[in-house]
Amino acid sequence: GNSVTQMEGPVTLSEEAFLTINCTYTATGYPSLFWYVQYPGEGLQLLLKATKADDKGSNKGFEATYRKETTSFHLEKGSVQVSDSAVYFCALCFSGGYNKLIFGAGTRLAVHP
Amino acid sequence: NAGVTQTPKFQVLKTGQSMTLQCAQDMNHNSMYWYRQDPGMGLRLIYYSASEGTTDKGEVPNGYNVSRLNKREFSLRLESAAPSQTSVYFCASSDFGRGRPDEQFFGPGTRLTVL
Repeated sequence: GNSVTQMEGPVTLSEEAFLTINCTYTATGYPSLFWYVQYPGEGLQLLLKATKADDKGSNKGFEATYRKETTSFHLEKGSVQVSDSAVYFCALCFSGGYNKLIFGAGTRLAVHP
Repeated sequence: NAGVTQTPKFQVLKTGQSMTLQCAQDMNHNSMYWYRQDPGMGLRLIYYSASEGTTDKGEVPNGYNVSRLNKREFSLRLESAAPSQTSVYFCASSDFGRGRPDEQFFGPGTRLTVL
């Protein structure tokens, strides 16, 4: 079946450190891939997306590249801030699938000053 | 625009009680979704409505019913609550078409505890 696996958290970093959150997927076909972020006490919001192989999604300093050969969509940021502390979810979705999302378990990021 | 709104924000039920979670969106989206969020499991789809007048089961539909009241509103009902339904519930909407998958917009969530 289709699934998403993320690295377990929590990830704890100091401000200005480099961030990588790993995400791999299993899919029968070629899904679109998403990163959503959930700040404390809020709903999820889209951070970035990529709809085909080798696409790079980027937003707010975060980047992720759709790698078909490794079935991965790792999230990176060069210099994290305290305000980036949140839970990050990797997800996939298929065209024609009514935009139904399949989520990973989420990775909690804590950034300390 | 308020986006996606959910009521209530918090609810405590006793086992066997019933309740309805309300969701509304003002973005004129055709598709709406209900998810539950449990620790270590991400979000799982309960039910979705691809368009007004249609509803379909998601990954974990047992114990729930839904109603797509109109294009704006999509409610989730627990007929006889169980402790296993203790969770945070999120409603979402998107403008699904025949093109590529697109962004879902989420409400702030309802935290439900069943004793």
